[in-house]
Amino acid sequence: EAEVAQSPRYKITEKSQAVAFWCDPISGHATLYWYRQILGQGPELLVQFQDESVVDDSQLPKDRFSAERLKGVDSTLKIQPAELGDSAMYLCASSLREFGELFFGEGSRLTVL
Amino acid sequence: GQQLNQSPQSMFIQEGEDVSMNCTSSSIFNTWLWYKQDPGEGPVLLIALYKAGELTSNGRLTAQFGITRKDSFLNISASIPSDVGIYFCAGPLDGSSNTGKLIFGQGTTLQVKP
Repeated sequence: EAEVAQSPRYKITEKSQAVAFWCDPISGHATLYWYRQILGQGPELLVQFQDESVVDDSQLPKDRFSAERLKGVDSTLKIQPAELGDSAMYLCASSLREFGELFFGEGSRLTVL
Repeated sequence: GQQLNQSPQSMFIQEGEDVSMNCTSSSIFNTWLWYKQDPGEGPVLLIALYKAGELTSNGRLTAQFGITRKDSFLNISASIPSDVGIYFCAGPLDGSSNTGKLIFGQGTTLQVKP
């Protein structure tokens, strides 16, 4: 069964360090999303890609967060520098088309010390 | 801004019991979605609702799109241990129809005692 792959599953870092998360969507899925889920809350949208283009990054804290999907397939989300409040699960999701059903990966859990 | 409020926040029930949870919004939604998240996993779509008043079932799960378009309900009948998890309602952000750009509720945590 096709899945959204994410790595690393767990990341512990110190404040002010840089971290990066990688996502490989289901093959053929043109739309890719990054969500952030703080413990005890629902996921919150960070950024949406359609192929290699950013469609919506209005909720991405651009002073420290960046996201790219250079070849329209896999994607990287970077945080630099990490802050204590960034501790969360970072979820990647993909869909076949923009208004299609979302399929989430298992997430990357970040702990900032 | 948009906000989805889920209740109850948590439930602890006996296996075999029925479960009801709901989600209310400060604004109208054109689509309601219900997801389940198991520990350490990403959310998985359970049911999608597209029309006010719609009642949709998926096995033991039944969800309804409220007439006012500001609420939705999820029922689980005859609960079993594998129903344990967090249930989220969700709807498209900012009144759009994009079921990928979502706002989520804060979740209802369900625990089932065998």
